[in-house]
Amino acid sequence: DTGVSQDPRHKITKRGQNVTFRCDPISEHNRLYWYRQTLGQGPEFLTYFQNEAQLEKSRLLSDRFSAERPKGSFSTLEIQRTEQGDSAMYLCASSFDPGGVGAEAFFGQGTRLTVV
Amino acid sequence: DAKTTQPTSMDCAEGRAANLPCNHSTISGNEYVYWYRQIHSQGPQYIIHGLKNNETNEMASLIITEDRKSSTLILPHATLRDTAVYYCIAQDNNNDMRFGAGTRLTVKP
Repeated sequence: DTGVSQDPRHKITKRGQNVTFRCDPISEHNRLYWYRQTLGQGPEFLTYFQNEAQLEKSRLLSDRFSAERPKGSFSTLEIQRTEQGDSAMYLCASSFDPGGVGAEAFFGQGTRLTVV
Repeated sequence: DAKTTQPTSMDCAEGRAANLPCNHSTISGNEYVYWYRQIHSQGPQYIIHGLKNNETNEMASLIITEDRKSSTLILPHATLRDTAVYYCIAQDNNNDMRFGAGTRLTVKP
């Protein structure tokens, strides 16, 4: 297993365009997280999935953002009508939660979005 | 999840132990303490986690106070490659992970 994979690594888009990012978690990991990180800040939680169920969404996730995890495997994060404020690194992480004993999360290298 | 408080930055001499403190005074009984670090331009990397007992692995040691209101991450022999932002998180395993601003550790030669 090569770890958590994110695609693309970099994306430049014009304001108003839609973008979609993909995250392939480590196989058999049942939890998948999305974060956004801007320069000098810690990762900001966006949403997470347990298998295919989206369990929590941050209020940062406006109606322009949507995330899916069909069949509990890979996940996509779509941003519609991008704005310059959406420019950031988008991080994905996955973990296997056996229940009650703590589980480390593995992060991908991120997708850097630049909205021009 | 409980809020954590960490110093903004710290320096450490190469080869010496780096002791990174974290306050989590509102931590609940079922919340674990996790530590991650992030080296520039990379995704965060898991270091260690614990509930009540002190923990040690190949990367670091985690010391949790008896009242669980604070903890210390110890890098026993810091190297230049340990320069990174270190995040302390108090997390219930049924909930998401929330990062704060972390501590920027600079290891100096």
